Amino acid sequence: SQQGEEDPQALSIQEGENATMNCSYKTSINNLQWYRQNSGRGLVHLILIRSNEREKHSGRLRVTLDTSKKSSSLLITASRAADTASYFCATDASSGGYQKVTFGIGTKLQVIP
Amino acid sequence: DADVTQTPRNRITKTGKRIMLECSQTKGHDRMYWYRQDPGLGLRLIYYSFDVKDINKGEISDGYSVSRQAQAKFSLSLESAIPNQTALYFCATCEPGDYYGYTFGSGTRLTVV
Repeated sequence: SQQGEEDPQALSIQEGENATMNCSYKTSINNLQWYRQNSGRGLVHLILIRSNEREKHSGRLRVTLDTSKKSSSLLITASRAADTASYFCATDASSGGYQKVTFGIGTKLQVIP
Repeated sequence: DADVTQTPRNRITKTGKRIMLECSQTKGHDRMYWYRQDPGLGLRLIYYSFDVKDINKGEISDGYSVSRQAQAKFSLSLESAIPNQTALYFCATCEPGDYYGYTFGSGTRLTVV
């Protein structure tokens, strides 16, 4: 099963509203990352939150991490039509020389103008 | 120029053919990765390389091989393409350490008929 699982899988909101996406995972992690992907394009790194951090902000983005619940949320405030994209969480459980970054299947966000 | 460049952008090939996907980066990063993306499955790691002499298998390496020609170049080969290798392929780079996310290329859409 997926290490990172986003919820909901699809979200449709009106422009100006806030959008919240959640990510749950199963094992201990070093950090959790959020990415955005416009249709058929490469993923763009949005924000990284380390396991000892609880909240992080970047512009209109707010990420929280609850390691006790093994979950994270991404909040996009005052959404814009240009925010329409898929959003992925990626959990990094790498150790030593072994790479273990696992992506979820994503949340597809539609912002209606 | 893009930080991570993938060629070709699109490719249609026949079952049984050998095909190479190329990736070059100008970030100066040592770490490079190949992922494939399938609808509903998220991104899955095929191979990764921490430097020119270090190549590692990811979770779905069967049917694929890689070559790290230089720090900036990492190519992925399908030795004998099969239809279930039809997918969107991404190359990515990152710095070591847990502070940084990936920089992705724009992807190669591969169709095996």
